[in-house]
Amino acid sequence: DQQVKQNSPSLSVQEGRISILNCDYTNSMFDYFLWYKKYPAEGPTFLISISSIKDKNEDGRFTVFLNKSAKHLSLHIVPSQPGDSAVYFCAAQRDSWGKLQFGAGTQVVVTP
Amino acid sequence: ETGVTQSPTHLIKTRGQQVTLRCSSQSGHNTVSWYQQALGQGPQFIFQYYREEENGRGNFPPRFSGLQFPNYSSELNVNALELDDSALYLCASKQAAQNTEAFFGQGTRLTVV
Repeated sequence: DQQVKQNSPSLSVQEGRISILNCDYTNSMFDYFLWYKKYPAEGPTFLISISSIKDKNEDGRFTVFLNKSAKHLSLHIVPSQPGDSAVYFCAAQRDSWGKLQFGAGTQVVVTP
Repeated sequence: ETGVTQSPTHLIKTRGQQVTLRCSSQSGHNTVSWYQQALGQGPQFIFQYYREEENGRGNFPPRFSGLQFPNYSSELNVNALELDDSALYLCASKQAAQNTEAFFGQGTRLTVV
């Protein structure tokens, strides 16, 4: 039962432009959402998170938007840089004890 | 402050064997979770430990077991290995507080032949 879905397996974007990654979820009990970035041969690295009581959280070049009614969140990266090329995972959690439920990931390639 | 470290980084085992993977939590973290990541998929939750007690488990059979030690380090044990157990095994640690992120180790790549 895939409760977190990332429907775009890959995304190619030009350096300097905006990257938009999308994530949908089905469980309305999720109350905390996170984005992780993963390079090959490394573990996932935490990027940014958002609580369900907010609809936007910003940290430098990264902004996460949450639309609870649509059960949808997105990650915006602007401007995109070559070092942003990685796999991005969306994850959701019910509470501080809860397991992280991950999407399948989106491979981002930033081209010069 | 050291991060989450896992050992070994790579491992090859034969079907039917047993394996133990190890994880050292980030300093100050009292909760550790284990995840299995198959190729092309997102990490799947195996189980979580808090203060040496298992307090959550995913859809994995009992041959997947774990331990957390007083220093919050952890082990993942898998018995009777199957070919489908070939995956990247990730350990994550966090503080048991609301809305805190988990920090991951680099993973152990297990290949079962």
